[in-house]
Amino acid sequence: GAVVSQHPSRVICKSGTSVKIECRSLDFQATTMFWYRQFPKQSLMLMATSNEGSKATYEQGVEKDKFLINHASLTLSTLTVTSAHPEDSSFYICSASNRGHPGTEAFFGQGTRLTVV
Amino acid sequence: AQSVTQLDSQVPVFEEAPVELRCNYSSSVSVYLFWYVQYPNQGLQLLLKYLSGSTLVKGINGFEAEFNKSQTSFHLRKPSVHISDTAEYFCAVSDHRGSTLGRLYFGRGTQLTVWP
Repeated sequence: GAVVSQHPSRVICKSGTSVKIECRSLDFQATTMFWYRQFPKQSLMLMATSNEGSKATYEQGVEKDKFLINHASLTLSTLTVTSAHPEDSSFYICSASNRGHPGTEAFFGQGTRLTVV
Repeated sequence: AQSVTQLDSQVPVFEEAPVELRCNYSSSVSVYLFWYVQYPNQGLQLLLKYLSGSTLVKGINGFEAEFNKSQTSFHLRKPSVHISDTAEYFCAVSDHRGSTLGRLYFGRGTQLTVWP
């Protein structure tokens, strides 16, 4: 299957700083990327959907000014957690899909464990 | 909107025993169905998917699932589990709408623990 690379896998940052997470599709063009957040022992909650070249669509309750998403190319999307606080500590996972292939599942990155201290 | 219910949050089973992880969904439109596995601190790996055609779908690692439209179910089965199958399993659905193709709705997950 297609490969999606997410970086970094783990990051620890101080409260008040910003953290950028990258999601790259290595062998296909990702027209759409999704960002999920997963709390311990819970399911994945969609934060936002981004289509290449356009603004991201955020789910209800997700602060767009806090979680900045950029999808500038067909192979790269970034999530920036701005002014991070301890409650932002979580596991963040991206996935990528290509609208040109109906029925194709979204491929997932390895996830990023963010710890804000 | 779609929703997914995984009826069991935890399923303990002994090695080499059969296992079934249950999944029911609700949707007003046709859906695609998926099962993913997640090992600790890792992303999701696709086990199998149902898009159309045969209702019995075979996936990796010896898993299979059967789509039952009348019961809106997509239960995951394996005839003989290994300790290495211990992981969290997620059932997910997505609809056919092109604008959101790939957007998945997940169940809460089922922790499968295989004991020796």
